[in-house]
Amino acid sequence: DTGVSQDPRHKITKRGQNVTFRCDPISEHNRLYWYRQTLGQGPEFLTYFQNEAQLEKSRLLSDRFSAERPKGSFSTLEIQRTEQGDSAMYLCASGTVNTEAFFGQGTRLTVV
Amino acid sequence: GQQLNQSPQSMFIQEGEDVSMNCTSSSIFNTWLWYKQDPGEGPVLLIALYKAGELTSNGRLTAQFGITRKDSFLNISASIPSDVGIYFCAGQPSNTNAGKSTFGDGTTLTVKP
Repeated sequence: DTGVSQDPRHKITKRGQNVTFRCDPISEHNRLYWYRQTLGQGPEFLTYFQNEAQLEKSRLLSDRFSAERPKGSFSTLEIQRTEQGDSAMYLCASGTVNTEAFFGQGTRLTVV
Repeated sequence: GQQLNQSPQSMFIQEGEDVSMNCTSSSIFNTWLWYKQDPGEGPVLLIALYKAGELTSNGRLTAQFGITRKDSFLNISASIPSDVGIYFCAGQPSNTNAGKSTFGDGTTLTVKP
């Protein structure tokens, strides 16, 4: 399978803990996007990378959130000091400058 | 910021019926996209529209890019049980950042056999 891969698929964590999610994009895609989706709503853009450069961050991405794509391939999204409001599906997508993005299956985070 | 209003919020239909849903925006988009999302999965792109007035089909699905560039429509003909899911519209204000989209809140479709 050469689609976008996200790990883990599910994560339950206690409030205040740090969590990190990984996204492996489609190999020839140089753009990688992170979105957040809460129940009953559509995905909301968080940030995107072109190769290793983080080109845009949404205001939704608070200081507790950090994303990296160190070698221009896989990306990680870290949330520090998690809060209950962080509970959501975190979606990764990849594409190129001229193509629409393909989404992964998401990581569902539950903060208890 | 940009907002997309998607309607209806939910639909309950009988297998074989046709379905229509739409999306409106307060601002102009240069790209309109329609996705389907199954429970616990990521959205899957169904149709992409790049030109005002464009009408594009993908099997039983047909979508249109509104002339005003502030709306789009999706029709599903002869629905089947596997059409069940949440349908999202998404828009992009420019053609230079493919992949960064503003999403509606979805139309949940239930198909009764």
